[in-house]
Amino acid sequence: DGGITQSPKYLFRKEGQNVTLSCEQNLNHDAMYWYRQDPGQGLRLIYYSQIVNDFQKGDIAEGYSVSREKKESFPLTVTSAQKNPTAFYLCASSRTGVRTEAFFGQGTRLTVV
Amino acid sequence: RKEVEQDPGPFNVPEGATVAFNCTYSNSASQSFFWYRQDCRKEPKLLMSVYSSGNEDGRFTAQLNRASQYISLLIRDSKLSDSATYLCVVNGAGNTPLVFGKGTRLSVIA
Repeated sequence: DGGITQSPKYLFRKEGQNVTLSCEQNLNHDAMYWYRQDPGQGLRLIYYSQIVNDFQKGDIAEGYSVSREKKESFPLTVTSAQKNPTAFYLCASSRTGVRTEAFFGQGTRLTVV
Repeated sequence: RKEVEQDPGPFNVPEGATVAFNCTYSNSASQSFFWYRQDCRKEPKLLMSVYSSGNEDGRFTAQLNRASQYISLLIRDSKLSDSATYLCVVNGAGNTPLVFGKGTRLSVIA
């Protein structure tokens, strides 16, 4: 089945640690995105990539890093510089162009302990 | 002005009611418009795209007013299973990423 897979579903991080969230898609989509969602809030864009080996900062990129070495994969690293990382992280992918919807993975719920 | 604004609700309606959600967007160059549905602690899923002429899918009707930069979603004959948060989603011109509203929460009550 085609889709977008995020792992792990739940992640616990100690303060000061970096952690990497995985996102893989087999939809052959060029564009991939990372969003963060806090309780009762909307989705805020962290980073996005529209082509392999290129990515752009979103609205809240500070404390995060990404890579796009393969079309299928867009991992997100939450660094120790991110002061409030506890949140629900959502990865999405889409075709490029207008009127193209995004498809989401099931999300990773990150908690700092 | 925020890029995409929605009434956060909650909207509490009885089964069988008709409910309407509204959304305004600030970028007049926006070309893509969608409604997504998000259940509690789950990922958003596409409910429907919104076309200039308006479009209907069963009990759901979406409309776009470009002059007023306004999108609406109408749900007729509400079901308990319609309880969720409805997200208004817009992108700018070209390949700019989707921008999400904060969502409107709907609770359908028996």
